[in-house]
Amino acid sequence: ETGVTQTPRHLVMGMTNKKSLKCEQHLGHNAMYWYKQSAKKPLELMFVYSLEERVENNSVPSRFSPECPNSSHLFLHLHTLQPEDSALYLCASSQGQSYNSPLHFGNGTRLTVT
Amino acid sequence: GESVGLHLPTLSVQEGDNSIINCAYSNSASDYFIWYKQESGKGPQFIIDIRSNMDKRQGQRVTVLLNKTVKHLSLQIAATQPGDSAVYFCAENSNSGYALNFGKGTSLLVTP
Repeated sequence: ETGVTQTPRHLVMGMTNKKSLKCEQHLGHNAMYWYKQSAKKPLELMFVYSLEERVENNSVPSRFSPECPNSSHLFLHLHTLQPEDSALYLCASSQGQSYNSPLHFGNGTRLTVT
Repeated sequence: GESVGLHLPTLSVQEGDNSIINCAYSNSASDYFIWYKQESGKGPQFIIDIRSNMDKRQGQRVTVLLNKTVKHLSLQIAATQPGDSAVYFCAENSNSGYALNFGKGTSLLVTP
């Protein structure tokens, strides 16, 4: 049990589908993150929610839409994805900003876009 | 651009030996560094961290060394075990402070 739970673990979707990834953290942290992990590439930050502020990587396409209803839950809404979006999507949380405390990751959602 | 990198993509060691995984960073303003371990099918797991006001920090069987002069970070694993086989990532805080900047990872393989 990592303290950060992601569902589903695996997801296969067509390019016209709409799906959502869910993340829940049980650590009492106040910041949550979405990262994308592709083969042989460094982890890429997609979105950060810290307290009430959202920060995003400007290179993330609009077909990815995050939602953070409270400090324990984080969603990533997906629509009209492309095959190159296939990757492992990791959720993480931290207490405070990541330059002061380590990120705690979930086990990810393995996404395949067909 | 500024980045975090790893010297070796793969490292093979015998069980019981010590392992050393190296990492170079280029941002001289970085002041917080972390090592993560990622096993197959799992997310990255925090191992140990170090701040720039320290040169060395020890955990259980692991030691992180920081050389700010040459912008080098290393992870030493003592008496490596088969369960240590995984991909190891170093990470440092980014300029914006919002997110960690990760390296590509080093794959550690422990052979019996």
